[in-house]
Amino acid sequence: EAGVTQFPSHSVIEKGQTVTLRCDPISGHDNLYWYRRVMGKEIKFLLHFVKESKQDESGMPNNRFLAERTGGTYSTLKVQPAELEDSGVYFCASSRSTGGTSGSEQYFGPGTRLTVT
Amino acid sequence: GQSLEQPSEVTAVEGAIVQINCTYQTSGFYGLSWYQQHDGGAPTFLSYNALDGLEETGRFSSFLSRSDSYGYLLLQELQMKDSASYFCAVRINTNAGKSTFGDGTTLTVKP
Repeated sequence: EAGVTQFPSHSVIEKGQTVTLRCDPISGHDNLYWYRRVMGKEIKFLLHFVKESKQDESGMPNNRFLAERTGGTYSTLKVQPAELEDSGVYFCASSRSTGGTSGSEQYFGPGTRLTVT
Repeated sequence: GQSLEQPSEVTAVEGAIVQINCTYQTSGFYGLSWYQQHDGGAPTFLSYNALDGLEETGRFSSFLSRSDSYGYLLLQELQMKDSASYFCAVRINTNAGKSTFGDGTTLTVKP
């Protein structure tokens, strides 16, 4: 089966601009997660979708970040306006369920490296 | 808050055995996972422990002690391709699919 894909792989934007990241999860995976890794630190949770619903968005840093998953398939993460501290690698992951081992086995995409200058 | 502690760097030689420890302090605990990441790419799931004890998958094993809030990843017969970053991650509860990750351990395997 095809893995999790993310687009773009890299994005360089200026402070104040808008960027939209896209994630296509593995087909049939209801659960979709966004994570961010900044400056080689921990992979930090941003939010979790179950199908099209936001199950947990406790990790979203502020209202400049907007995530959507219309139709319960792919998801977008928009940053508007971008700030310097938003630079980092944004990972998307998906899982078939949340229970048991299969819920803990999250399949990650290759990430989008965002640089805000 | 949630915190996971793991060493930042570990170095070992080919063919050796290395253990990467992870201690955690979290508001709840459902299971401990380990992920491998090469060169900043997609983290890849390695193992999962929900109960105390050792889980073995080929050259990799993972151990959990819930009473000690501690786990480790054991890599045997190290190969050069095992050079990567290794993350431990805790699921707080079954309803929350999210995982809380440690900072990662960079493993360097030398010939």
